[in-house]
Amino acid sequence: QSVLTQPPSASGTPGQTVTISCSGSDSNIGSNTVNWYQQLPGAAPKLLMYATNQRPSGVPDRFSGSKSGTSASLAISGLQSEDEAVYYCAAWDGSVTGRVFGGGTQLTVL
Amino acid sequence: QVQLVQSGTEVKRPGASVKVSCKASGYNFKNYGINWVRQAPGQGLEWVGWVSSFNGDANYAQKFQGRFTMTADTSTRTAYLELRSLRSDDTAVYYCSRGPLAFEMDPWGQGTLVTVSA
Repeated sequence: QSVLTQPPSASGTPGQTVTISCSGSDSNIGSNTVNWYQQLPGAAPKLLMYATNQRPSGVPDRFSGSKSGTSASLAISGLQSEDEAVYYCAAWDGSVTGRVFGGGTQLTVL
Repeated sequence: QVQLVQSGTEVKRPGASVKVSCKASGYNFKNYGINWVRQAPGQGLEWVGWVSSFNGDANYAQKFQGRFTMTADTSTRTAYLELRSLRSDDTAVYYCSRGPLAFEMDPWGQGTLVTVSA
């Protein structure tokens, strides 16, 4: 049981916009920034979004992040086949003094 | 470029110990801590803890306190995760990643598969 709650799956067709949600609590998302990681099949996770809505160098601007209260979202616009991956949200949690992850969302590009 | 290279696959018996390494290059090792994250087969990511490359201070997720030990050697720019009293449910890929204690982790090592089986 993950501390942060994500839908297990999401899907879209090429060119569409898909949004992945991440729900937490006051002690994690509610009081800290959110990071998103992308894990392609058979690969290590890669930082996709940091400080809730900042893209590392090299991440296309099709990816965007936001937060409201104790929930965060990752939006992917202009969906492409290479976006097919598992996406994880993560945040610092003050109540456990540690990082917590969402369970991951498998994105399928139809 | 910034890179973390981890040691190879390990197969251990229950009750044994294993030490996974993570060698850093391309940046000032002392300026960033190292996180450890594990991923059981077919499962999600689980934070193990963080070690300061500056002074060796470590912060563990509660469930890993006691059996796991994280260290950092500035002379070799290498971080280590030692797992003791291994159990079958410790079977997982263990990743290291660079980052401060409470913020983003980037980049990640390639992962080390630790299999615990009788």
